[in-house]
Amino acid sequence: AQSVAQPEDQVNVAEGNPLTVKCTYSVSGNPYLFWYVQYPNRGLQFLLKYITGDNLVKGSYGFEAEFNKSQTSFHLKKPSALVSDSALYFCAVRASGMDSNYQLIWGAGTKLIIKP
Amino acid sequence: DGGITQSPKYLFRKEGQNVTLSCEQNLNHDAMYWYRQDPGQGLRLIYYSQIVNDFQKGDIAEGYSVSREKKESFPLTVTSAQKNPTAFYLCASSIGGVSPRELFFGEGSRLTVL
Repeated sequence: AQSVAQPEDQVNVAEGNPLTVKCTYSVSGNPYLFWYVQYPNRGLQFLLKYITGDNLVKGSYGFEAEFNKSQTSFHLKKPSALVSDSALYFCAVRASGMDSNYQLIWGAGTKLIIKP
Repeated sequence: DGGITQSPKYLFRKEGQNVTLSCEQNLNHDAMYWYRQDPGQGLRLIYYSQIVNDFQKGDIAEGYSVSREKKESFPLTVTSAQKNPTAFYLCASSIGGVSPRELFFGEGSRLTVL
């Protein structure tokens, strides 16, 4: 079965420190990978995506993610965390063999808390 | 500004009532989606529409209905047949076609059944 796992329900980081939010996936074929962020009682906002090419993808608000095919991972990273980065982060995947964006598989989300 | 507008933001319903959540987009997107979000779970797809006058059931369509009479509008009705309707509902849209596109989300509608 195709799936996405975000193994940490919550990640706590001190402001100014680097942050990592983990995502692993299991799909048939090559994956298309996405990260979204959700602030409290708001909709989701797109951060970045990996389709093909360079394994390091840069996105909005200084975030980046590294695609690792051998480890089937797509971890979200930021070199220096801000308190305003505190939010819920979702990883999503679509297998390249799927024919539409409605076939996204979503992780359960990771709550990121940045402490001053 | 282009975007997706959902209304109402908060809605309370008595058991046995149908309610309709509005979703309007001015992004000229062909595809629109309805998701349900519950605490500690990923998003679950209720219905999607890839073109006007056509829509398909998602993973949890039971107890819900939609229409797509106009490109910019995709309202969701939560019927009395939905056993546990209290949730946060998210509408999204994207450019159509087979290429992997990001979704654009509305601000959500929180439905509480009293």
